[in-house]
Amino acid sequence: ETGVTQTPRHLVMGMTNKKSLKCEQHLGHNAMYWYKQSAKKPLELMFVYSLEERVENNSVPSRFSPECPNSSHLFLHLHTLQPEDSALYLCASSQDHTGQGFYNEQFFGPGTRLTVL
Amino acid sequence: AQSVSQHNHHVILSEAASLELGCNYSYGGTVNLFWYVQYPGQHLQLLLKYFSGDPLVKGIKGFEAEFIKSKFSFNLRKPSVQWSDTAEYFCAVNGGATNKLIFGTGTLLAVQP
Repeated sequence: ETGVTQTPRHLVMGMTNKKSLKCEQHLGHNAMYWYKQSAKKPLELMFVYSLEERVENNSVPSRFSPECPNSSHLFLHLHTLQPEDSALYLCASSQDHTGQGFYNEQFFGPGTRLTVL
Repeated sequence: AQSVSQHNHHVILSEAASLELGCNYSYGGTVNLFWYVQYPGQHLQLLLKYFSGDPLVKGIKGFEAEFIKSKFSFNLRKPSVQWSDTAEYFCAVNGGATNKLIFGTGTLLAVQP
């Protein structure tokens, strides 16, 4: 595998389910990101991890819970989601030279298409 | 707050036509500028970027973009589009105190053969 991979590619869940999205980067980067892509809206940054520490949380509801066990893996744990959470969830990674994330080109995964019923 | 505006939401062109997609941002300090492209069924990928130096940036597949600081713009251009350029194009900017990467809403380009 090369680049950034995400599993599953598609997920349908009920509002009471608990599921997790997985992201893995094979680029040797030290920063990883979760974005939400909804139709006709800009990509929304949800979480940033740099050097495995969370450096940014854009006031995301607590029903989304990230986990970064190491620099290559990033998870997004989901529970009691709402239908409006249906979207494409993108993971990205980059090499952060400053400890504050964001500076360099980000490489994106294919996304997980989430549908909440 | 920083923002990125892409004024063209849908663009339809015939092959060989010239392309210019607008991108304006709101931030007065030093910025890094990006154009990403998302082909149908594929993931977002970088088209080109500007960090410093020559404001005219060359990217992949014949694309270029010009940074005009006085206009807060970073428009994407291609002299002659191909059917394979059909995709969604996103402008993104980072800069400012938070250094967030802010994306525009995207422009959906359809090139008709």
